[in-house]
Amino acid sequence: EDQVTQSPEALRLQEGESSSLNCSYTVSGLRGLFWYRQDPGKGPEFLFTLYSAGEEKEKERLKATLTKKESFLHITAPKPEDSATYLCAVLKGAQKLVFGQGTRLTINP
Amino acid sequence: NAGVTQTPKFQVLKTGQSMTLQCAQDMNHEYMSWYRQDPGMGLRLIHYSVGAGITDQGEVPNGYNVSRSTTEDFPLRLLSAAPSQTSVYFCASSYSGQAGKQYFGPGTRLTVT
Repeated sequence: EDQVTQSPEALRLQEGESSSLNCSYTVSGLRGLFWYRQDPGKGPEFLFTLYSAGEEKEKERLKATLTKKESFLHITAPKPEDSATYLCAVLKGAQKLVFGQGTRLTINP
Repeated sequence: NAGVTQTPKFQVLKTGQSMTLQCAQDMNHEYMSWYRQDPGMGLRLIHYSVGAGITDQGEVPNGYNVSRSTTEDFPLRLLSAAPSQTSVYFCASSYSGQAGKQYFGPGTRLTVT
C-alpha cells in the first residue's frame, strides 16, 4: 500500500539554526514526490517536485532532496517567516495525491 | 485571477442535514479535487475530476457526492451529515497531467453537531 510518513511531527528551532525534515515513502513506481507549505488557516502551497533519486531543488532557504526511499527538506539559517507546516506527498497512479501527516515547524526569533 | 475559491468559509450543520460546498477556479484547469484535513491524519482525497463530466473516487468517498458540469466548478455534496464529517475541506485544481502540483483554495471549516 502506498504510504507517506513524515518526521518529526513538530520541530522548534532558533532563528539561524539549520535542520532537516524527513519524508519516507513506499509507493510502487514513483511518479513524483511533492513538497507543500501550509500556513495556519490557509490551503497548502506548492513548493517542489522531485522525480528521481539524486534530484535536488532549491528555493531561498529550502532545499529538497530525494533518495529511493525518502526525501529531505533542508532548511538553512531559517527565519521566523519560515514557520509553517510542511507536507510531502506522492502520486498514486497518475491522478491521486497521497499526503503525509506533515511537520509543524516553528522558528523562534 | 482569483485562483481557487471556496464557499462558505465556515459552516455548522446538524446531524442528518445536507449541504453543498462550493468550489470554483478561473485558471482553466482540467483537474480538480476535494480533500479533507483532520488533525494527525494529513490531507485525504475524497473525490477528483479530470474534466467536465468525469469524476472518480479518492481515499475517503463515502458520504460525499460530486459532479462536474463545467470546467470551472466542482461542488461537493454531503448527503446526510454525520459528526465524523467534521473537518476542514480543501478544494484544489491543476493542469492535466500535473496532479502533483495543485493549487489549493482557502478551505471550508465544517462542524457537524
